[in-house]
Amino acid sequence: AQSVTQPDIHITVSEGASLELRCNYSYGATPYLFWYVQSPGQGLQLLLKYFSGDTLVQGIKGFEAEFKRSQSSFNLRKPSVHWSDAAEYFCAVGAYNAGKSTFGDGTTLTVKP
Amino acid sequence: EAQVTQNPRYLITVTGKKLTVTCSQNMNHEYMSWYRQDPGLGLRQIYYSMNVEVTDKGDVPEGYKVSRKEKRNFPLILESPSPNQTSLYFCASAAVDNSPLHFGNGTRLTVT
Repeated sequence: AQSVTQPDIHITVSEGASLELRCNYSYGATPYLFWYVQSPGQGLQLLLKYFSGDTLVQGIKGFEAEFKRSQSSFNLRKPSVHWSDAAEYFCAVGAYNAGKSTFGDGTTLTVKP
Repeated sequence: EAQVTQNPRYLITVTGKKLTVTCSQNMNHEYMSWYRQDPGLGLRQIYYSMNVEVTDKGDVPEGYKVSRKEKRNFPLILESPSPNQTSLYFCASAAVDNSPLHFGNGTRLTVT
């Protein structure tokens, strides 16, 4: 069965500092990996996705993520965090023609001024 | 504007009173799915649909029904709601099942 683990429930960083949110997945086939962001009272918005090819993918809002097959990880990074990045972040895994998608439990990001 | 529309945004009901949460998308997406979000549990998939008249169970389907008679609509039906179905529900659609999901703004359901 597929699964996603986000080890950090809550992370606090200072504005301007770098950020890394961890995501580990378990999936038997080649996974499709996603990061979504949820602002309070909103639905989820796609930040970036990995299907194949270059293992470093760029997303919106200055985010990037690196797929490491050997570590079953897909960590999200941003070099300099802005106060508006405070939100909840979800990693998700799916597969072609599988129908099911699995989300991690989420990481809440707080940004200190 | 491309969007997924859920209604209502907020719903308070009593145990056992049937309810339907509607979901509509205007992007001609084949794939649609329902999730519930509970604190500390992330999003859990209830049901999904790969195309019209094709639906399947997700991870937590008990107590829910869905139908997909038209491509744009994917209503979630609770025949006999119970308090443990109090949650925040999201509908989402995608071009195909492994494409990025587009989410609605959510429906907060309270069952007393």
